[in-house]
Amino acid sequence: EDQVTQSPEALRLQEGESSSLNCSYTVSGLRGLFWYRQDPGKGPEFLFTLYSAGEEKEKERLKATLTKKESFLHITAPKPEDSATYLCAVQDRYGGATNKLIFGTGTLLAVQP
Amino acid sequence: NAGVMQNPRHLVRRRGQEARLRCSPMKGHSHVYWYRQLPEEGLKFMVYLQKENIIDESGMPKERFSAEFPKEGPSILRIQQVVRGDSAAYFCASSHRQGAANEKLFFGSGTQLSVL
Repeated sequence: EDQVTQSPEALRLQEGESSSLNCSYTVSGLRGLFWYRQDPGKGPEFLFTLYSAGEEKEKERLKATLTKKESFLHITAPKPEDSATYLCAVQDRYGGATNKLIFGTGTLLAVQP
Repeated sequence: NAGVMQNPRHLVRRRGQEARLRCSPMKGHSHVYWYRQLPEEGLKFMVYLQKENIIDESGMPKERFSAEFPKEGPSILRIQQVVRGDSAAYFCASSHRQGAANEKLFFGSGTQLSVL
């Protein structure tokens, strides 16, 4: 069964203190791994898609990397506005006629000024 | 260029009543997904629809829940005879093409359903 586990559940950082979020996954065949950001009371907002081990994507202070078993979201010199819940999700290549995403429970990031 | 629109944002129902949640996909998108987010749990897939067709409903409870995406108008998620356990945030997402490896989903802001 496809599964996504994120750690830590919550992370508190000081502004400028870099860190990484982890996403471990089990899937029959990876079609894509997705990172989303979710603010309170809002829907998930797309950040990155990764397709194969060794791939990296960057956007401002965020960098996502992928191995065969896990993905990391690196946050460099975070700012308070980076505070949000970060969600990881996978698409199974053998998931049939759908692009459904299997989500982890997320990491709640709080960046203090 | 409006995004995915969901309404209502908040819906309060008493046990036994019906709940209707609406979703208008992004312009040009013909694929709609419904997800449910329970407190302390991740987003769970419920159903995937194209215009006038249910493609995958493997995540839908077998009873009381139904979904449609008519030729005209929004997609509707309908919950009959609601129970307290149905209280959750329901998110709709849309995409442009089915089957494309890089087809990301765009999410609406959700409907928070509270059952009294």
